Amino acid sequence: DTGVSQNPRHKITKRGQNVTFRCDPISEHNRLYWYRQTLGQGPEFLTYFQNEAQLEKSRLLSDRFSAERPKGSFSTLEIQRTEQGDSAMYLCASSFPDSFANTGELFFGEGSRLTVL
Amino acid sequence: EDKVVQSPLSLVVHEGDTVTLNCSYEVTNFRSLLWYKQEKKAPTFLFMLTSSGIEKKSGRLSSILDKKELFSILNITATQTGDSAVYLCAARNTGNQFYFGTGTSLTVIP
Repeated sequence: DTGVSQNPRHKITKRGQNVTFRCDPISEHNRLYWYRQTLGQGPEFLTYFQNEAQLEKSRLLSDRFSAERPKGSFSTLEIQRTEQGDSAMYLCASSFPDSFANTGELFFGEGSRLTVL
Repeated sequence: EDKVVQSPLSLVVHEGDTVTLNCSYEVTNFRSLLWYKQEKKAPTFLFMLTSSGIEKKSGRLSSILDKKELFSILNITATQTGDSAVYLCAARNTGNQFYFGTGTSLTVIP
């Protein structure tokens, strides 16, 4: 499967614990995005990388959230001291570099569902 | 504040009906408008629109953009139960930021 891969697919944790999610984008894609989605809502932007550089981070994002993409390939999203309000689906998406040959759309992974008890 | 608003929030139709989903946007440095279909998994890409008035079509689905009035519509003709899903609209800006609406939940009854 050459799509965007995320793991774990499901994570149940107790409040106060740290969790880490991993995303492996499509190999030719230089842009990588993290979104959070709760029931009945659209994806909410968290952060965005171009290669290894984190270009933008949501102002709504707590300092408990951190993301890395150390070699410009896979990315990790860590949530420290989880709270019940962090329960959501965390979606990763990637896209090709801009060119006339592609539409620039995001390709999404299946998501990592977090439940904080 | 950049935002995307979709309407209606939910829709229930019978097979064979035609539906129109609406998306309005207010995004600085707007670049393109994208439609996605989300079943109980990852959103899948449907259309990208950059120019006003040019209809994109794929089978029973079509979409058009109005950059003057800042909205887009997605039409689905002769709906089938397999069209049941949440349809997401996203506006992309020149900084490659994508802003999503809350989605329209479509249910097609046999």
